[in-house]
Amino acid sequence: EAGVTQSPTHLIKTRGQQATLRCSPISGHTSVYWYQQALGLGLQFLLWYDEGEERNRGNFPPRFSGRQFPNYSSELNVNALELEDSALYLCASSLPGPQHFGDGTRLSIL
Amino acid sequence: GENVEQHPSTLSVQEGDSAVIKCTYSDSASNYFPWYKQELGKRPQLIIDIRSNVGEKKDQRIAVTLNKTAKHFSLHITETQPEDSAVYFCAASWGAGNMLTFGGGTRLMVKP
Repeated sequence: EAGVTQSPTHLIKTRGQQATLRCSPISGHTSVYWYQQALGLGLQFLLWYDEGEERNRGNFPPRFSGRQFPNYSSELNVNALELEDSALYLCASSLPGPQHFGDGTRLSIL
Repeated sequence: GENVEQHPSTLSVQEGDSAVIKCTYSDSASNYFPWYKQELGKRPQLIIDIRSNVGEKKDQRIAVTLNKTAKHFSLHITETQPEDSAVYFCAASWGAGNMLTFGGGTRLMVKP
């Protein structure tokens, strides 16, 4: 069974640009969660999608947004990138039930 | 909202010793508490979880205990091995399918 897959692995952007990160959940999982892990810090909850709907969002500005597609894959969009957005962005999926993580996308802002 | 505190932030033990990591949570409605292990450059991996209707759960060398009254839970690793070296995160949520609030992480180093 394939795990959670994320793309791209690395993404380099400059301040003010927009970034799109993608996540494919484990087959059969309907919930997708996004977390931000800044260097040396813990995981901060960003967004939760289930059955195509946004169920909850963390304490992040509106320039962080996303969506979930009918096949349950998901996109995270970050607009007007700032230096402090540099982090590892992790996606997790669940049935619901225990969450299983992907390898993440490392976003670097120059 | 929920707040999870984790201690210690770093822990160094000798191979074969036990390691204990403690977490406290603030929201009494939280009822699901997973633990994740994250090796350097890798994804967090679920190693054990516990629900609030259970006080203790064990899986080989790993055990988790939960004290609902005091709102704290702990991870116990016995007979530590060098491959146990990693960052460990505790988390809490209301229901297993809900968003997780993570602790700040504990860097465990097992010295051979």
